[in-house]
Amino acid sequence: DAKTTQPTSMDCAEGRAANLPCNHSTISGNEYVYWYRQIHSQGPQYIIHGLKNNETNEMASLIITEDRKSSTLILPHATLRDTAVYYCIAFGAHGSSNTGKLIFGQGTTLQVKP
Amino acid sequence: EPEVTQTPSHQVTQMGQEVILRCVPISNHLYFYWYRQILGQKVEFLVSFYNNEISEKSEIFDDQFSVERPDGSNFTLKIRSTKLEDSAMYFCASSEETKNTEAFFGQGTRLTVV
Repeated sequence: DAKTTQPTSMDCAEGRAANLPCNHSTISGNEYVYWYRQIHSQGPQYIIHGLKNNETNEMASLIITEDRKSSTLILPHATLRDTAVYYCIAFGAHGSSNTGKLIFGQGTTLQVKP
Repeated sequence: EPEVTQTPSHQVTQMGQEVILRCVPISNHLYFYWYRQILGQKVEFLVSFYNNEISEKSEIFDDQFSVERPDGSNFTLKIRSTKLEDSAMYFCASSEETKNTEAFFGQGTRLTVV
């Protein structure tokens, strides 16, 4: 599975968009970009995933660059409840996708401030 | 919304004792996982389970660990002889498929070995 790199921490003002970047320069063609978050030691929560095209759901938008070497998770109107650790995971190479194993890094700690 | 449930939420045990952590995955899911998170550290994969057998396990998942799906609904993690370093949050997860789908995590069991 490709390695991902994320900033250690970010701040965002409540009500503003939070843009969380992720680098995955070694991602292979069949690997998806997944985002999960973990709120205060609760179980990780799925947010969104994508392969090539930008994706949007009720929680967030995912923008993937054309070369697929990086992506950005966008929380359009961050609230205090979005304070969490956000994990970007490249997933889908044959080995891990066969078993479903997710490899979590350190993630980005997003602090949403009033 | 369907959810993965774990019991107990907190377990305290003496070193050397056996513990069983219990999970009820989402009912139509076929793939089951255990992860752990030592305080302040990353979420680590332990084991994946499909079709009543282990499909992948990590180096952490040694002979002291075992998993079982004793009936159609429960999925358990057993630690035979607990060590102090087994103290961690243990998360169960399940998914419908392994590719292009999300994993749903439980809220975790906090295991404290004294």
